Amino acid sequence: ELKVEQNPLFLSMQEGKNYTIYCNYSTTSDRLYWYRQDPGKSLESLFVLLSNGAVKQEGRLMASLDTKARLSTLHITAAVHDLSATYFCAVDLPSMDSNYQLIWGAGTKLIIKP
Amino acid sequence: DVKVTQSSRYLVKRTGEKVFLECVQDMDHENMFWYRQDPGLGLRLIYFSYDVKMKEKGDIPEGYSVSREKKERFSLILESASTNQTSMYLCASSLSLWLATDTQYFGPGTRLTVL
Repeated sequence: ELKVEQNPLFLSMQEGKNYTIYCNYSTTSDRLYWYRQDPGKSLESLFVLLSNGAVKQEGRLMASLDTKARLSTLHITAAVHDLSATYFCAVDLPSMDSNYQLIWGAGTKLIIKP
Repeated sequence: DVKVTQSSRYLVKRTGEKVFLECVQDMDHENMFWYRQDPGLGLRLIYFSYDVKMKEKGDIPEGYSVSREKKERFSLILESASTNQTSMYLCASSLSLWLATDTQYFGPGTRLTVL
């Protein structure tokens, strides 16, 4: 059974600081996603990571994937208040499985204080 | 831009009522999904559909059914609502499972309260 664990689940930080959110998963997978959810709103796709060593960056967010360690990280550089949100990672079940679905982490609630 | 709309943002129903949640996407996506989101549990898949009239169970299908009669519309049905079905329900769609970068696009969600 594929399990996806995020940590921390809650993070409060000051503007200008750097921090990393971790996403561990328990079996091999073809794809890993990062999504953002603002309070009271729906989920928005941030990144899709497909291969070992993949790195993607958008503004102050950078996501990476280590398939050997079954670990993805979402790094926040010089945080600003607008990045306050809940961040989810999600992992595809292995492609040989007939039941396509994403397995989601519990989410990391990030609060960035001015 | 992909647009996924859901019929209601907030819904209050009584135990035992039949509840319909509707989702419409406007980008000719093949796949549509229904999730429920509960605090600390992430998203859990209820059902998904990869084509008209086709459906597959997700992790937690018990107490739910779905209908996809048209490509753009995917309905979630609670046959007899119970209090443990109080939750946020999210609909999503994606273009094609065969795309390496296939991404799910989400609707705004329906917060359902069952009294």
